[in-house]
Amino acid sequence: QSVLTQPPSVSGAPGQRVTISCTGSSSNIGAAYDVHWYQQVPGTAPKLLIYASSNRPSGVPERFSGSRSGTSASLAISGLQAEDEADYYCQSYDSSLRTSVFGGGTNLIVL
Amino acid sequence: EVQLVQSGAVVKKPGESLKISCGGSGYTFTHYWIAWVRQMPGKGLEWMGIIYPLDSETRYSPSFQGQVTFSVDKSINTAYLQWTSLKASDTAIYYCARHNPSSSPLGWVDPWGQGTLVTVSS
Repeated sequence: QSVLTQPPSVSGAPGQRVTISCTGSSSNIGAAYDVHWYQQVPGTAPKLLIYASSNRPSGVPERFSGSRSGTSASLAISGLQAEDEADYYCQSYDSSLRTSVFGGGTNLIVL
Repeated sequence: EVQLVQSGAVVKKPGESLKISCGGSGYTFTHYWIAWVRQMPGKGLEWMGIIYPLDSETRYSPSFQGQVTFSVDKSINTAYLQWTSLKASDTAIYYCARHNPSSSPLGWVDPWGQGTLVTVSS
């Protein structure tokens, strides 16, 4: 059971907008620790998508955006494309565990 | 270009020892924590812990404390992940990744190594 909770899967048609939630607690996201998001295409290493809750590294399309509120964070993907089909993970620091933690991951299916 | 290159896939028997490597290039290796992440077959990412190459300070996730050992060789910009007695349940892909921002143990990881597949089977 992950400290950060993500839905196991989400789906959307090409062109649509989807959001992936990451729910934490007062010892991680709720304690104002930043949230980071990664994309993992099957068979490859994860890739940084969003850092410090809402910042995109260079090369990541503007279609990807992040936000944080209270004990939760969200990743939004607009203008869904077939190449977005992948697993998505959130990551934050947990002060009770004194370590960073990942969410359980969300499989995005492009219909 | 900042890059992390990991050692190749290995197959080991239960009870054997193992040390895998992660070489950094394109940046000042000693100024950034290195994180280790496990991904068991068909499962999600698990944070194992971090090591600071400048002084070898380590911070293990509670689930991995006592199970593995992190080390570095600053002279060749390489970090290591080591087991003394492997179990079948150690079968997984292990990733190293550079922690950001520099000198901070809090933050995100980027870039990632390509991963090392460790298979433990009798």
